[in-house]
Parts: sequence; structure tokens; C-alpha cells
Amino acid sequence: QLQLQESGPGLVKPSETLSLTCTVSGGSIRTSSYYWGWIRQPPGKGLEWIGSLLYSGRLHNSGNIYYNPSLKSRVTISVDTSKNQLVLRLTSVTAADAAGYFCARQKYNYRLGELSSFDYWGQGTRVTVSS
Amino acid sequence: DIQMTQSPSTLSASVGDRVTITCRASQSINSWLAWYQQKPGKAPKLLISQASSLESGVPSRFSGSGSGTEFTLTISGLQPDDFATYYCQQYNGFVFTFGPGTKVDI
Repeated sequence: QLQLQESGPGLVKPSETLSLTCTVSGGSIRTSSYYWGWIRQPPGKGLEWIGSLLYSGRLHNSGNIYYNPSLKSRVTISVDTSKNQLVLRLTSVTAADAAGYFCARQKYNYRLGELSSFDYWGQGTRVTVSS
Repeated sequence: DIQMTQSPSTLSASVGDRVTITCRASQSINSWLAWYQQKPGKAPKLLISQASSLESGVPSRFSGSGSGTEFTLTISGLQPDDFATYYCQQYNGFVFTFGPGTKVDI
């Protein structure tokens, strides 16, 4: 059974960089059949997609990573294949970045090159931004 | 970017009721729409993809319909476990957006 588990510091200072990891078990992140994404949810609010990545072995290929345009200048998503982890970095955080952060697997139709829904989710990790 | 709206934002219902939630897209997304259920403190759970395709293991009382810009999620015979918040998500292209959610409560 595929499982995803987010981890990282629960408290980040304003202007600093948030780093979170998502450990995937029961399956390999090194698959060309699925994308892996990050989604966040501010307290009491709705869901916001952050970005999605497909492991290609050549991550400098920007065609395998998609970011939310509103966050693109501050976000980096990558993989640590040795640990089967997805990594999120968000720079210059403010109070608006305080949220629950989820990682999720995203369905991918490789023949059509189309992404779709998120079918497996981690339980999420809460991040507070405060000095 | 494609904007998603949902109505109503809150829905009060009783066990056994038939419930309908509407999701609208700011432009046509064909049938590229998913529905999720989220309970407090939990991750969203995928219910429906491609507007009407029920995910494995999801009870048949859930159904989805629509195409273009207007979509509905229907729960036929509301069960106690169904009281939750429901989100739609569009995946037309490579920027993905969620609706603001509809809370179904008693």
C-alpha cells in the first residue's frame, strides 16, 4: 500500500526558507507513471496547489516540473532518490505561507502528456511562520 | 489561470437526504474535473475523476456529472460518514486549481 509522510520544522521565521520532505513508502518515486505534488491549506481555508514533479533522471529538464505561477519565484521541488523523498523549498516566507502542507501522488497519462487528480495523499504537516 | 467557484459554501442536511453541490469553472475545462472529500484534520480523499468516474472503493451513492464549465457532485442518501467538506479541482492544462469548498453539516 502506497504511503506518503510529510516532515519538517513546524516553525519557520519570516524571510527564511521553508524545507519539507515527503517520504514515499510502498512504491518508488522513480516512476514515469505518476507525478508527485505539493498542496497547501491555510488554517480554515481551501486547498492551493504548489507544484508537481515527474522523476525523469534529468531534473534539469524543466518540462518535468510545474509550479503554481503565484509561487513560482519562491518554490523549488526536487527529489532525493536515495531516500525515496520529494522535497519542497519555499523561500522568503511570510505569515501568508502558514498552512498545512500535503504531498500527494498525481495521476499522469504519459501518452497524452496530461496530469489529472491526486489519488494518494500524506497526512500533512502544519507550518507556522513566526519570529 | 482558471478560477473555480462552488455553491453553496455551506449546506445543512440530514441523514438520508439527497445533496447536490455545484462547481463552476471560469472557462471550459471539458471533463477535467475531480472531487475530493475532506474531514477535519485529515487529508483530502479523491472521490471522482474526469467529472463522473468514481474512484475504486468510493460508495456508489456518490456521483458526478457535467462538462464544460458546470459540474455537480450528488450524494444520494447522505450517511453520517459523509458530513465533511467537498472540493472540486480542475486539471485542464498544467496549472491546477481547487474550488473554495462546500461544507456539508447537520
